[in-house]
Formats: sequence, C-alpha cells, structure tokens
Amino acid sequence: NAGVTQTPKFQVLKTGQSMTLQCAQDMNHNSMYWYRQDPGMGLRLIYYSASEGTTDKGEVPNGYNVSRLNKREFSLRLESAAPSQTSVYFCASSEGLAGYGYTFGSGTRLTVV
Amino acid sequence: GQQLNQSPQSMFIQEGEDVSMNCTSSSIFNTWLWYKQDPGEGPVLLIALYKAGELTSNGRLTAQFGITRKDSFLNISASIPSDVGIYFCAGQVGGANNLFFGTGTRLTVIP
Repeated sequence: NAGVTQTPKFQVLKTGQSMTLQCAQDMNHNSMYWYRQDPGMGLRLIYYSASEGTTDKGEVPNGYNVSRLNKREFSLRLESAAPSQTSVYFCASSEGLAGYGYTFGSGTRLTVV
Repeated sequence: GQQLNQSPQSMFIQEGEDVSMNCTSSSIFNTWLWYKQDPGEGPVLLIALYKAGELTSNGRLTAQFGITRKDSFLNISASIPSDVGIYFCAGQVGGANNLFFGTGTRLTVIP
C-alpha cells in the first residue's frame, strides 16, 4: 500500500551507540516530519523538512540530526544515544501545507539501555 | 512549543454510548485536526476543520472548530468496539509548516 514506510520497527541500543532511523514516502509529498511520542506527552516535533533540500528544527531537536536525502526519504540520526531518547518515533509527510494533515508511518519503538 | 490540553485523559464507556472530548489551547489556531491512533500504529486523520464555528462529520464522528479558535470538540455517536484507541487533536498556527499535538484521550469501549 502507498504511504510512509519506517525502518526498523523495533530497536534496542546501548547508551552511546549511534543509529539512523529511515523513512520513505511514495506519495510525492513535499514536506516530511519526525515526531517522538512519549506517554502523557503527545507527539512532539523533532525536525521537519518543508521541501527537498531544506530542514528545520522543531520543538525537541537536541541529540538528533536529520537528512533529506531526496524527495522520498528523510532520515533521523542519533549520534550518541541516551536513555532519555527511549521513545516511539514517527515519521510523517504532507503534500504541502501542514494544515491539510499528515500521513504517518507505523513508528519505530526505540529503547536505549 | 504550543500547549494543547485534551480532556478527558481517558474514558471507559459502554458500547452504544456517545462520547465527547475536547481540546483547548492558549493560542489561536487556523486549523484543527483530529487523529486516531490504534495500538502499534501511527495516527490516522479523522477530520480537518478550517473555519471558526465549522461543524464537520465523518460517519459517526462530528467535530467542531470553536468560535474563539482556541478550542475544538470531537463527538462519537453510538460507540462500537473498534472505536478503541487514542484520539489526538492537532492544530496549526498561522502559516506554520508543522502541527502541534495534544496529549491524547484514550478511549476504551466495553462490549
């Protein structure tokens, strides 16, 4: 099915390890986003890319980097994982304006021990 | 970031009952959206609202964009077991290219 694909679905890291979360969309959307979801805190924006070649910080960018590889792909990198980064990470995309709503991937559950 | 407060945090209802939940903000939003998240999945868009006072339905779901533009409401009529999940409100401020999300309302439907 068309949509947003995230890999991996689950990951366990040791403190200090690095990893990259992958996201790809096949809807030809211009904008892509990375959110984290923590219990009782809803979804918080980490980084977003309004269009290919641009990236901007969101509400909680510390400890993360992103790359908009092309129009389809937007990756999130943790250079040195910390237990506070244990969370569920969602990638989303939108055709243009965020107000028309996002299409979300199914998430990556990350545990840092 | 913007604070969106959703209430109630959780609800336990009997199948067939109606459900009401709301979302309030300290800021004015231009757009309000409602999402539902099933366990292990990403949120899925239910309803989008673009004008103050707007009332929009999607099957058994009805949502309203508050007149003050600082709140929104979601009603579910005649609940069924598949309504179980977490419902999130989200809003867009001005011309911002991102959405702010509420903390969610967890709905449990008892058969």
